[in-house]
Amino acid sequence: SAVISQKPSRDICQRGTSLTIQCQVDSQVTMMFWYRQQPGQSLTLIATANQGSEATYESGFVIDKFPISRPNLTFSTLTVSNMSPEDSSIYLCSVEIVVNTEAFFGQGTRLTVV
Amino acid sequence: KQEVTQIPAALSVPEGENLVLNCSFTDSAIYNLQWFRQDPGKGLTSLLLIQSSQREQTSGRLNASLDKSSGRSTLYIAASQPGDSATYLCAVKGNTGKLIFGQGTTLQVKP
Repeated sequence: SAVISQKPSRDICQRGTSLTIQCQVDSQVTMMFWYRQQPGQSLTLIATANQGSEATYESGFVIDKFPISRPNLTFSTLTVSNMSPEDSSIYLCSVEIVVNTEAFFGQGTRLTVV
Repeated sequence: KQEVTQIPAALSVPEGENLVLNCSFTDSAIYNLQWFRQDPGKGLTSLLLIQSSQREQTSGRLNASLDKSSGRSTLYIAASQPGDSATYLCAVKGNTGKLIFGQGTTLQVKP
């Protein structure tokens, strides 16, 4: 299994500002993903974080709004830029140690934009 | 396009009951199916992973089955406890390599 530390666990931010969320894994993993969970909804994949290259974004998500870094096999960041109240959600980091195996999730970052 | 549906959306049972949560998916070409638990405002905890070649997996009081041909999975919880109260999510991984989630079943177990 993999233990994921996600920071911060929650934050309240002013509109127009940016927040960077960190995801640290206790072992090297092949795949890292970022998800969004809007209030009362299920999870939606934002992007796949690729080590040493640009992330692969899903339809409806763009790099300017959600820049992602992955400098190595254990760490990734997601930035939510120029925030609006519509960005209020839980953001979750997920990993797979090996491709197409069990997915593990962090505890999430609860973001409120005011 | 893969779609995942979970029924019921919510369920309330008295403590001690055995219960079944249902998950259906539209495309049977999957790598695996995973059941998760989510407590309010928290992340996801992996409960069971079923590979496409498997029929079921068991962990403690939990048993998950998979019928790929009919596009169905069930999560059976035996002797439910108040601590089982949470939202249960089913997710399917297909040949896109992405997990597609259902909307979840919110379970309340009353003492």
